[in-house]
Amino acid sequence: QLVLTQSPSASASLGASVKLTCTLSSGHRTYAIAWHQQQPEKGPRYLMRLNTDGSHSKGDGIPDRFSGSSSGAERYLTISSLQSEDEADYYCQTWTTGIRVFGGGTKLTVL
Amino acid sequence: QVQLQESGPGLVKTSETLSLTCTVSGGSISSNYWNWIRQPPGKGLEWIGHIYNRGSTNYNPSLKSRVSISIDTSKNQFSLNLNSVTAADTAVYYCARDFGNLEGAFDIWGQGTMVTVSS
Repeated sequence: QLVLTQSPSASASLGASVKLTCTLSSGHRTYAIAWHQQQPEKGPRYLMRLNTDGSHSKGDGIPDRFSGSSSGAERYLTISSLQSEDEADYYCQTWTTGIRVFGGGTKLTVL
Repeated sequence: QVQLQESGPGLVKTSETLSLTCTVSGGSISSNYWNWIRQPPGKGLEWIGHIYNRGSTNYNPSLKSRVSISIDTSKNQFSLNLNSVTAADTAVYYCARDFGNLEGAFDIWGQGTMVTVSS
């Protein structure tokens, strides 16, 4: 079964960096994923597509502070130079034939 | 650029059918996959299903018995019907686009519409 696992919460200080993790289920470690950001009281926004080799392509207007990387079944979203507006929920998402799947989301608090 | 906009009733009675429409502007609906996603208050995102290729559909197995998605290419719209609703179906409903099974990232989202189910 295709499942994505995320930690429920993370925190980091203003101006620092943070690395969020999304883990693919066994047997699906080569899958690409997407990262989405959901700021409070807003709809989700597409951040990037992230491949198994760590290459990624970002959505329009996504700042360079947002980057992705991969290691085995883990997919990472790194946000550098944290700003207050980065405080949000971050969801990973993946896909295969006939199905789309979300992780449970990580709530990022900027201290 | 392509934009999506959800529309439909904000209140649906228990046991009735929830019906929403997503209007696609700035591009054609005749290609790509068109998805419905929902988010109950305070909870995460749940994929409901999608439509593609002249009306072929796939649904989340947990909702499959109650869901139907259709498309109207003449109006550049696709629609969601969810029947026999309960309070558990109260959520913000989003529509989103992806490029298919080899490229299923949701790259464009609608702003969402809140639907409350109540007797």
